[in-house]
Amino acid sequence: EPEVTQTPSHQVTQMGQEVILRCVPISNHLYFYWYRQILGQKVEFLVSFYNNEISEKSEIFDDQFSVERPDGSNFTLKIRSTKLEDSAMYFCASSELLGRYSNQPQHFGDGTRLSIL
Amino acid sequence: AQKITQTQPGMFVQEKEAVTLDCTYDTSDPSYGLFWYKQPSSGEMIFLIYQGSYDQQNATEGRYSLNFQKARKSANLVISASQLGDSAMYFCAMRVYTGGFKTIFGAGTRLFVKA
Repeated sequence: EPEVTQTPSHQVTQMGQEVILRCVPISNHLYFYWYRQILGQKVEFLVSFYNNEISEKSEIFDDQFSVERPDGSNFTLKIRSTKLEDSAMYFCASSELLGRYSNQPQHFGDGTRLSIL
Repeated sequence: AQKITQTQPGMFVQEKEAVTLDCTYDTSDPSYGLFWYKQPSSGEMIFLIYQGSYDQQNATEGRYSLNFQKARKSANLVISASQLGDSAMYFCAMRVYTGGFKTIFGAGTRLFVKA
């Protein structure tokens, strides 16, 4: 079964450094998402991406964050200047093209654990 | 405002018994989708079941069923014949369209299955 893959599985970065988290969505999927989960807390929506542009974003997704689809397969999340509070598990997800009534779920990757020191 | 509420931080169930995990939601959009995901201790998110706001029948997937009560805005997950491998965190989630799609998650319920 096709799956969403994320690399690396664990990233350790010094505060203030830039970090790029990488994702390869399922090949025929057209909607892409990033979520984060601070340890022990709920999953929070960051951003959705469709047709090479941001479709929706949350208040968390401020100017420090950016997303990009640099080629036909990768989808990246960049955090420009990391803060201690950016430490979390970051999940990438993808789904087929959605209509308002679509029952297609998002398929999640296994996540990247980001630790900011 | 859109919101998902899971009021049970932790639940215990005896192996082979059924358990219901509660979920209520709030949205003013008439079109939405409700999902349940399982997160084992290894951390991955596993899709379990979906219910659309216009679906007339409750969704079922194997041992999972969704008790959808639209007027009460509840979407409870029922797991029948619990297994030890069902021990995990369970998240209720709602997908809405606000110019783009996003999914909002509840705080989760940790299920412990006892042998």
